[in-house]
Amino acid sequence: AQSVTQLDSQVPVFEEAPVELRCNYSSSVSVYLFWYVQYPNQGLQLLLKYLSGSTLVKGINGFEAEFNKSQTSFHLRKPSVHISDTAEYFCAVSDLMKTSYDKVIFGPGTSLSVIP
Amino acid sequence: GAVVSQHPSRVICKSGTSVKIECRSLDFQATTMFWYRQFPKQSLMLMATSNEGSKATYEQGVEKDKFLINHASLTLSTLTVTSAHPEDSSFYICSATQGYEQYFGPGTRLTVT
Repeated sequence: AQSVTQLDSQVPVFEEAPVELRCNYSSSVSVYLFWYVQYPNQGLQLLLKYLSGSTLVKGINGFEAEFNKSQTSFHLRKPSVHISDTAEYFCAVSDLMKTSYDKVIFGPGTSLSVIP
Repeated sequence: GAVVSQHPSRVICKSGTSVKIECRSLDFQATTMFWYRQFPKQSLMLMATSNEGSKATYEQGVEKDKFLINHASLTLSTLTVTSAHPEDSSFYICSATQGYEQYFGPGTRLTVT
C-alpha cells in the first residue's frame, strides 16, 4: 500500500527566500506523484505532477519538484517565495495502472508561512 | 480545463437529519470519482471510490451505511450523509478522473448542529 510522509508540518520562511518542502513516499509499484496547494477554506489546486520522463518537473507559480526514485522522494522547491505562497501544501501518490491510476493518497500536509 | 462542481458549497443541518452532496463533472465523462473528507488543519482522507453503475468501494473504517454513495451517471456522483451527527462536520471534497487526469471539486463544508 502506498503512503506519503511530509517531514515538516510547518515551514516558516522569509519573503524572497528559497524554500524546499520535503516529501517521501512508499509504494511497491510505479507511481504517479503530485503536489497540491490549498488556500484557507478552498479546494485543491494542482501545482505539478510527475508521471514519467524528466525527473525535474516544473509547475505553476514558479514551483518545481524533483523525482528521486532511489530515495523515494519528490521534494518541492521554489527559489524565491512570495507572501501569496502562504498556504497548505500536500504531496500525494497514486499507483500507476495500465490506462489510468489508482486512488490518490495524500500526505499530512505542510503549512508554509511566508514572513514579510 | 476540465471542471468539477460540488453542490452545495456549504450546508448546516440538524443532528439526525440526512444531507446529500452532489459532485458533477461539467465538461467530461468521469470514469471514476473519489470522495474525501478533511478535518480542520488535517489532510484529505479517502472515503470511497465510485465507478459509474457499480457499488462504491469504501476505505477501511468508513461506514458504508452512513455515507451512501450513488454514481448514477458518468457525470454525477452523490454522497449522502445519513443521520448526521456533529462529529460528521467536515469538509467533503470529490474528485473525478479521466484517464491519468484527476480534477477536484471546490469542496462542501458540512456543519451539523
